[in-house]
Amino acid sequence: AQTVTQSQPEMSVQEAETVTLSCTYDTSESDYYLFWYKQPPSRQMILVIRQEAYKQQNATENRFSVNFQKAAKSFSLKISDSQLGDAAMYFCAYRRPGGGADGLTFGKGTHLIIQP
Amino acid sequence: GAVVSQHPSWVICKSGTSVKIECRSLDFQATTMFWYRQFPKQSLMLMATSNEGSKATYEQGVEKDKFLINHASLTLSTLTVTSAHPEDSSFYICSAREPGTSVDNEQFFGPGTRLTVL
Repeated sequence: AQTVTQSQPEMSVQEAETVTLSCTYDTSESDYYLFWYKQPPSRQMILVIRQEAYKQQNATENRFSVNFQKAAKSFSLKISDSQLGDAAMYFCAYRRPGGGADGLTFGKGTHLIIQP
Repeated sequence: GAVVSQHPSWVICKSGTSVKIECRSLDFQATTMFWYRQFPKQSLMLMATSNEGSKATYEQGVEKDKFLINHASLTLSTLTVTSAHPEDSSFYICSAREPGTSVDNEQFFGPGTRLTVL
């Protein structure tokens, strides 16, 4: 079974600084998808960024980028120029390939605090 | 983007009663929907995969007779918590995928339903 581990229950960063959230996973698959989701106090899950395992290039979405190390099974999220609106729970998630018929396996989450 | 709604957003019920939660894809057809459960300050746990026109697939440890899932149309899946007890109190979130599109690998989440069983 796949597992996703987020070892940082809580992280704090000054506004405008950069922060990196860690995620490791375990799988025997060679092809899969990885995601970072943001869950603000409203509890609406918001997709931040996704990465296909067969792509070597790290995904980037504006201030958000990932460091995907397939051999190490590591998938960290870097948030640059942190903003107060970035404060939320961040979940790393894994999905097997196969047309999307599989649900997501989530890590326990990291609570990100932005200090003004 | 694709929008998923859930109804109700919050429900309180008495122990022993049944509660139905609806998940709708508003602007796309979803052949597959997923139901997750989230306890306070915890992660999301996949409960079941709901496929239109067929039986749901439940994750290990999830009681299928307790959590009845029906996916009768391409835009609606329902989760019924039968004979609810206080330990069923939780936040239930559904998601849906839009097949055959450029975001085929993405799941769109509903806003969640908070269930409180007294």
